[in-house]
Order: sequence, then structure tokens, then C-alpha cells
Amino acid sequence: DGGITQSPKYLFRKEGQNVTLSCEQNLNHDAMYWYRQDPGQGLRLIYYSQIVNDFQKGDIAEGYSVSREKKESFPLTVTSAQKNPTAFYLCASTNVGTGGINEQFFGPGTRLTVL
Amino acid sequence: GQNIDQPTEMTATEGAIVQINCTYQTSGFNGLFWYQQHAGEAPTFLSYNVLDGLEEKGRFSSFLSRSKGYSYLLLKELQMKDSASYLCAVRRAGGSYIPTFGRGTSLIVHP
Repeated sequence: DGGITQSPKYLFRKEGQNVTLSCEQNLNHDAMYWYRQDPGQGLRLIYYSQIVNDFQKGDIAEGYSVSREKKESFPLTVTSAQKNPTAFYLCASTNVGTGGINEQFFGPGTRLTVL
Repeated sequence: GQNIDQPTEMTATEGAIVQINCTYQTSGFNGLFWYQQHAGEAPTFLSYNVLDGLEEKGRFSSFLSRSKGYSYLLLKELQMKDSASYLCAVRRAGGSYIPTFGRGTSLIVHP
């Protein structure tokens, strides 16, 4: 079955440690996105990539980094520079330029807790 | 920039009808989405409007007025499983295909 996977579901880290969240999709989508969701805040865009080896900062990119070496994969690293990293992180993907609705498909999310 | 407003929380009775409103201000518009998100889970796509009018899909309908910057999601014959957060998202004009999300409306359906 096609879809997006994120692992792990729950992640605990000590303050000051970098941590990498994985996101893999087998939908053959060109574009991939990372969002952060906090209570009462909705989804806020961290980074996005529309093609392999290219990515752009979203609205809250500070303290995060990404890579897009393969079409299927878009890992997010939460660095120690991120002041408040505890949150629910969602990865999404979509087709681009197909003439369709191009709605986003979301992974199940990773809940990161920094102790 | 974009500004999207929707109520924080709504309650309704099983079997009833509920309307969730979304207003937006944007410098460019290329479609409006509604997503459903159960607690701790991924958002799932419900509907898409790019032209004015009503789109009906089973128990769910979505309406758009571009001139008023207004949309609503109508849920009929409410079921307990409809208790969830409903996210309104407006896609920016241009080729980036990036939607901006509102804060979501938490709908509680009670017996």
C-alpha cells in the first residue's frame, strides 16, 4: 500500500542533543513538507522540498535542518539550537503540477519530548 | 501574508447538523482545503474548493465565497466518531502548492 511513514511514534531526548526524525513516502510525490503542531497553534511549516536536492525554509525553520537526497525520504533534524523542541511533528507529501487537487497526504506523526 | 480564522471549539449533538466557519485574508488564493484530525493522529483530507459554491461529499459539504474570504464545512447526521479537530487551510497563489493552516476547530459530539 502507498503511504507515508514516520518513525518513531514517540521520541524522548535530553536537552542539548540533536535528534533526527525520519519520513519516507512511496507515493512517488515530488513535494514533501515538515510541520510542527503545538496545542492551539495549528500546523506551522518548518521546511519543504519540491524536488530532490533542493529545499526551502518555511515559517519557523530556525533550529531545524533537512536533507532531500532521495525522492522518497525527507529527514528532519531538530538541533540543540531549537529553543522549544517539544511538539508533535508531521511530515506530508503531495504531487505537483498534475492538474489535480494536489492535496497533502500526512504521515502518522512523531511526538518529540525533550527532557 | 495570510490570516485564517476559525472557532476554537464547538459542541453538537449526535444526529444533528453543525457548520464550522473559516474566514481568511490572503494576498493570493489558489484553493481552500478542509482536513479532519483525530487526537494524536494525522490530518486526513476532506474537501477542496477553488471556485465559489458548494461541494457535497456524503455527509460532509464545503462552501466557498472568494469575494467574502469565507468558507464553511457542514457536517450532517453527526456521529460520535466525528469528534475531531477540523483544519481549514488556504493554498497560496503561485507554484509552491503550500497551504497555510488555521488553528483548527475542535468539535465535540455528545449523545
